[in-house]
Amino acid sequence: QVQLVESGGGVVQPGGSLRLSCAASGFTFSSYGMHWVRQAPGKGLEWVAFIRYDGSNKYYADSVKGRFTISRDNSKNTLYLQMNSLRAEDTAVYYCAKDHIVVVPAAIGYWGQGTLVTVSS
Amino acid sequence: QSALTQPRSVSGSPGQSVTISCTGTSSDVGGYNYVSWYQQHPGKAPKLMIYDVSKRPSGVPDRFSGSKSGNTASLTISGLQAEDEADYYCCSYAGSSRVFGTGTKVTVL
Repeated sequence: QVQLVESGGGVVQPGGSLRLSCAASGFTFSSYGMHWVRQAPGKGLEWVAFIRYDGSNKYYADSVKGRFTISRDNSKNTLYLQMNSLRAEDTAVYYCAKDHIVVVPAAIGYWGQGTLVTVSS
Repeated sequence: QSALTQPRSVSGSPGQSVTISCTGTSSDVGGYNYVSWYQQHPGKAPKLMIYDVSKRPSGVPDRFSGSKSGNTASLTISGLQAEDEADYYCCSYAGSSRVFGTGTKVTVL
């Protein structure tokens, strides 16, 4: 069955960096677009970034553009999110999610369980 | 990339129907037939319930249905059940990006 397991979350100071990873299994990772979506404590969902199945195109929310970088390694079935210049407002649970189907554009389908990032001094 | 507008909460008794609206603009909801809906129980990851406005993924009960008119999409839950009590979010394609709704808490009375 599909599994997405995020890791790399933790506590970081404002201005610091963190890299999240998402290990995928149970599907052909190299065929699907992948997303990062975040949810601040007690708040709603916010789309963060998307990468096409082959890494050829990447898109970002305005709130993270220039600070965050999404990438993938299809040989390792792993998705990444490099987060730099972190701010308090980046504090959230970060979810890794796969497109529902391989057609573009596709709905965000299956989600991982998330990893918590806390930006605090 | 402003969030889509949803009512903060809706409620209904078991067996009744509830409808959640999701209002955007011509740049997102109104411009594409790519609206999806997600159910999120407390402490859990979101689950896809509807995609491409009105399609149901395998395993989602047919009590859940979606529609769209202009810049507003809707999710209807018919025959409300206790396990439907959760937060619901809409999401629209917006030309390479995605935008989520503000979220609606559904309460089963």
